[in-house]
Amino acid sequence: DGGITQSPKYLFRKEGQNVTLSCEQNLNHDAMYWYRQDPGQGLRLIYYSQIVNDFQKGDIAEGYSVSREKKESFPLTVTSAQKNPTAFYLCASSTRGTYYEQYFGPGTRLTVT
Amino acid sequence: AQKVTQAQTEISVVEKEDVTLDCVYETRDTTYYLFWYKQPPSGELVFLIRRNSFDEQNEISGRYSWNFQKSTSSFNFTITASQVVDSAVYFCALLASGGSYIPTFGRGTSLIVHP
Repeated sequence: DGGITQSPKYLFRKEGQNVTLSCEQNLNHDAMYWYRQDPGQGLRLIYYSQIVNDFQKGDIAEGYSVSREKKESFPLTVTSAQKNPTAFYLCASSTRGTYYEQYFGPGTRLTVT
Repeated sequence: AQKVTQAQTEISVVEKEDVTLDCVYETRDTTYYLFWYKQPPSGELVFLIRRNSFDEQNEISGRYSWNFQKSTSSFNFTITASQVVDSAVYFCALLASGGSYIPTFGRGTSLIVHP
């Protein structure tokens, strides 16, 4: 079955540690996205990539980093510079183009204490 | 600038009631696309519908219907005879060249359907 996988579903880290969230898709989509979701805030774009080896900052990129070495994979690193990293993180992908819908993964809930 | 407003933060209904979720958008582009997504408690957003700015026909899919009105910049979503399984957060989104074709999401409306 085609889809997007994110692992793990729940992640716990100590403050000051970097943590990498996994996102893999087998939909053959060119574009991939990372969103952060906080209660009452909707979805906020962190980074996006429309092609391998290229990515762009979204609205809240500070404290995050990404890589896009393979079409199927778009990992997100939450660095210790992110002041409030506890949130629900969603990865999405879409066909490259102007009007295609996004497909989302199940999300990773990160808790930093 | 692109903007999507979902003024209803939370709606609570009893099963079998009809419910309408409002979505108002802002864009200067003449060509744009509107979407609705459903986020059930499991967390994964599910695509429901896409409309382009040149197609104002209303659409019906089972108990779901969408009303697109360019005159009021609205793209409202109605669930007829709601069911408990409809309980979710619903997001409206806008895609346009002015936003570099990166979706702009509303803040979502949480729908709670009581048995």
